[in-house]
Formats: sequence, C-alpha cells, structure tokens
Amino acid sequence: NAGVTQTPKFQVLKTGQSMTLQCAQDMNHEYMSWYRQDPGMGLRLIHYSVGAGITDQGEVPNGYNVSRSTTEDFPLRLLSAAPSQTSVYFCASIQGQGYETQYFGPGTRLLVL
Amino acid sequence: KQEVTQIPAALSVPEGENLVLNCSFTDSAIYNLQWFRQDPGKGLTSLLLIQSSQREQTSGRLNASLDKSSGRSTLYIAASQPGDSATYLCAVASLWGNKLTFGTGTQLKVEL
Repeated sequence: NAGVTQTPKFQVLKTGQSMTLQCAQDMNHEYMSWYRQDPGMGLRLIHYSVGAGITDQGEVPNGYNVSRSTTEDFPLRLLSAAPSQTSVYFCASIQGQGYETQYFGPGTRLLVL
Repeated sequence: KQEVTQIPAALSVPEGENLVLNCSFTDSAIYNLQWFRQDPGKGLTSLLLIQSSQREQTSGRLNASLDKSSGRSTLYIAASQPGDSATYLCAVASLWGNKLTFGTGTQLKVEL
C-alpha cells in the first residue's frame, strides 16, 4: 500500500493561473478531504467527499473546485490562483465515518506570486 | 463553531523529562479526538485516537486523555527523547465523524 499520495510536492504559480493538485489513495477509503495549512491557523478543511460522485464544501471552499469520479482519486482545482492561496495543501482519507484515524498525504507546497 | 486551542504554542525540555501538552475545545459534541505528529516539511502522522465514549488511550510512551464535558484533552509523553521533537496537533471530529477541526499545534523541542 502506498497510502495517500500527492503530486506535485512543490509548485510556483503566477496570479491568475490555474492548476490541479492530485491526490490518490489505494486503501479503498470512501471518505477523502482536502485541508490547507497556514502559519498560526492550523489546518482548515477546504472540500470533502463521502464517496465517488459526492462532494461538499468545508470551511474555506472559495477559489477551489473538486470532483470525485473514482474512489481512488480526489483532485483539487485552483481556478484562478491568488497570493492568498499560498499554503501547504494536505489530502486525507478515512475508511468510515470517523471510527478510524485519518491518513494524510505528504502535502503540496504552493507559492502564488 | 468549534474552536480548538493548544497550549503552549512552543515547548523546550531536556531529554528524559515527562511532559504534558494541552488541547481544549469549545463544543463538547464531538465524535472523537485525535493527536497527530508533524515533522518539519512533512505530513501528519496519527498518534492516538480517542472515541468520545473513552477516557484515555495509550501507545508506548504516549498517553492521551479526554474529558469531553470540560472540553479538554492532554497528551502525556514519558521520558522524552530528541526524536520526539516535532509539532503536535490535536483535532476534534464533528458528530458526523469526518470533519476535523485542528488546533494550531505545540512545537516541541527535546534537547540533549
């Protein structure tokens, strides 16, 4: 098992550019989520999905889109990057409804100039 | 809205000391509470998970307690080692179990 994988590890964007952060898990987990981590603010939930074809917004969804066409993949799209989206992005997955621990990917560091 | 606070924000101790990290939360309607470890530039590793019906969990030198009614959890680390140096995060899961609210973490440094 590779667990939760994220690509790229690091990315630099210019304001207004778009990009997709990739997340994949090979544990057949139903639930996946995206968080961003900023200094002094902890991790905040952006979007989550409880299964293929089902997504919902978290605490800070503006400027981000997600889709879940398969159980394995949960990409996060930045539509028009802004400097405020400079952050470290973590993807996580979990088997059920909170009975087990969440598994986190290694993160993607994004710098928007 | 759930808010999670961790005190202290940073802690430096000599090797061998026993130490306690604190986590408090404002809404006691939680599903569970987890403690994570994060090394610089790395992802999060789950250390302990306490269900809302439990009082404590232990793993090796780590012991986490939960007092849901008072909105508090502690992470006790026995006989600290330099390899324990990291940031420790606590997170509470909503009643739906799958939304985590994180604290801002305690940065621990264990010195030789």
